[in-house]
Amino acid sequence: DAGITQSPRHKVTETGTPVTLRCHQTENHRYMYWYRQDPGHGLRLIHYSYGVKDTDKGEVSDGYSVSRSKTEDFLLTLESATSSQTSVYFCAISEIILDRGNYGYTFGSGTRLTVV
Amino acid sequence: DAKTTQPNSMESNEEEPVHLPCNHSTISGTDYIHWYRQLPSQGPEYVIHGLTSNVNNRMASLAIAEDRKSSTLILHRATLRDAAVYYCILRDPIYSGGGADGLTFGKGTHLIIQP
Repeated sequence: DAGITQSPRHKVTETGTPVTLRCHQTENHRYMYWYRQDPGHGLRLIHYSYGVKDTDKGEVSDGYSVSRSKTEDFLLTLESATSSQTSVYFCAISEIILDRGNYGYTFGSGTRLTVV
Repeated sequence: DAKTTQPNSMESNEEEPVHLPCNHSTISGTDYIHWYRQLPSQGPEYVIHGLTSNVNNRMASLAIAEDRKSSTLILHRATLRDAAVYYCILRDPIYSGGGADGLTFGKGTHLIIQP
């Protein structure tokens, strides 16, 4: 168990308000990720981090920012939430647990965000 | 990541074997075939991976065609707990940033298990 905790598990917020989702891991993994999952689109990568203060954009990064000031925490912020950001958000970590340099990914249980 | 094609859904009966196909005709020689599954209301979880030879683990078996253009995930005796969306993903550990730049998910196969 990679010890990934996402908080909150559920949140309802109003359009235009800022929202921060937290991903916490307990095993000092270097790589962390934020995905969103929507019907008809599947899972899409928002941002990822390859170390403290080192982050990069994924496929659907517009409207999102991230921060990683400590190894164990990866924060996803919606500066001004919109209804199109209603989704289920998953955090993940990766580590070389497989052979030949293959990374295995472990996902959290998700945060269901509703923007009204 | 190279493209994979999977059926949208499959149905099987409990306690019977399930064969989930994946086509990847543009696979490169260094692409590994990974399978993940996503149970209802949970995040995806790793199932199995392989390069050329067939692979077995406690969850499933992976059968890879000789030309590597297709593969099959085999659940030997499906239970209701195996009802999930199964994703077939190709990853090159050398050319994908060491494999740490995130997984690219397709739509997967929605496996329905009938009691």
